[in-house]
Amino acid sequence: ETGVTQTPRHLVMGMTNKKSLKCEQHLGHNAMYWYKQSAKKPLELMFVYSLEERVENNSVPSRFSPECPNSSHLFLHLHTLQPEDSALYLCASSPEGTSGTAKNIQYFGAGTRLSVL
Amino acid sequence: GEDVEQSLFLSVREGDSSVINCTYTDSSSTYLYWYKQEPGAGLQLLTYIFSNMDMKQDQRLTVLLNKKDKHLSLRIADTQTGDSAIYFCAVVKTSYDKVIFGPGTSLSVIP
Repeated sequence: ETGVTQTPRHLVMGMTNKKSLKCEQHLGHNAMYWYKQSAKKPLELMFVYSLEERVENNSVPSRFSPECPNSSHLFLHLHTLQPEDSALYLCASSPEGTSGTAKNIQYFGAGTRLSVL
Repeated sequence: GEDVEQSLFLSVREGDSSVINCTYTDSSSTYLYWYKQEPGAGLQLLTYIFSNMDMKQDQRLTVLLNKKDKHLSLRIADTQTGDSAIYFCAVVKTSYDKVIFGPGTSLSVIP
């Protein structure tokens, strides 16, 4: 248990569906992240939220829409996805705002394995 | 080149030592990390080293840092089948104060 929980663990959706991925952290952290992990590609940082404000958006297509209602929860809303969006989506959190090594250590959830048909 | 580079695959026999290498470009990186990803799981922090250190040892793990060559390595002594996983090197890119991950090295341990 890392203290970061992602649901669902697996998701299969058609290209016209709308679904949401959920991430919850119980670590009291202030920063949360969405990553995409595809086979044979490096880990891709998608979005970063710090103190519930989006601080980074790495040229992610608009069919991915993040939401951070509070510092413990992060969502990724999906609509009109493409087959190439099939991947493992990882959520992470970090303390943020603290000094030393603790600031940058990220704690990851187990991920949601997404398949787009 | 990329900010952080790693070999993609490594295969070792059970009981041998494994050495996973990483090179990075930002010479001012302050913290450097090793994460492990087991099948079906997220990344988990294994260990880290601060840039003013050359070496850090933690049980079977030894981290070596060569700042001149911008080279980081992770040595796993007495490698076990349970060590089979993907190992990610990560560095703090100080100009942006964010963590950059390498592509990961897939370690296979042969019984």
